[in-house]
Amino acid sequence: DTEVTQTPKHLVMGMTNKKSLKCEQHMGHRAMYWYKQKAKKPPELMFVYSYEKLSINESVPSRFSPECPNSSLLNLHLHALQPEDSALYLCASSQAGGRSGNTIYFGEGSWLTVV
Amino acid sequence: GENVEQHPSTLSVQEGDSAVIKCTYSDSASNYFPWYKQELGKRPQLIIDIRSNVGEKKDQRIAVTLNKTAKHFSLHITETQPEDSAVYFCAASMRAGNKLTFGGGTRVLVKP
Repeated sequence: DTEVTQTPKHLVMGMTNKKSLKCEQHMGHRAMYWYKQKAKKPPELMFVYSYEKLSINESVPSRFSPECPNSSLLNLHLHALQPEDSALYLCASSQAGGRSGNTIYFGEGSWLTVV
Repeated sequence: GENVEQHPSTLSVQEGDSAVIKCTYSDSASNYFPWYKQELGKRPQLIIDIRSNVGEKKDQRIAVTLNKTAKHFSLHITETQPEDSAVYFCAASMRAGNKLTFGGGTRVLVKP
């Protein structure tokens, strides 16, 4: 089972709203990721959690707040977003550790529109 | 940090022909090179990957080659079919899937 599930699939929020994106995997992976993808662009890394600890923050604005409650779950809390934050948000997971790269599996994504 | 360049940005081929996409990377410490296919409105899906201790890998109609000296890697799709139409991304990582850097993508159109 190579499934990473994300909810909601679509989200429309106002600039003053607070919302959360949720991600779950049951592959026993200990690395989880948030990527942002704009139209016709590659995915851009936002955050990496390794063994439930934040290991990489790609200088993401504080209006995006990640949380990893346990090894299977990853959340992205959203507050005071701007219209330019509208994008596809992809969660992903992989094995952690090792001497070379591990396969990263992506979820279907959450389409976010900020109005 | 790592920089991955991908060419061409668009590629149109006749069904049955071959398609080749080329990528270059900047950091010689990169050792893992996956290729993802993304159909419109869908997630990126891994189609093949190669590690730095291997020069070539093949899976049915798809093959990837790696030249570590030149820091090039390429995707070859033979006998293309309409369902191969999608955006393809190359990527590079130094270790353990920790930080995957993507190329800009190639939009492939296979004409029937």
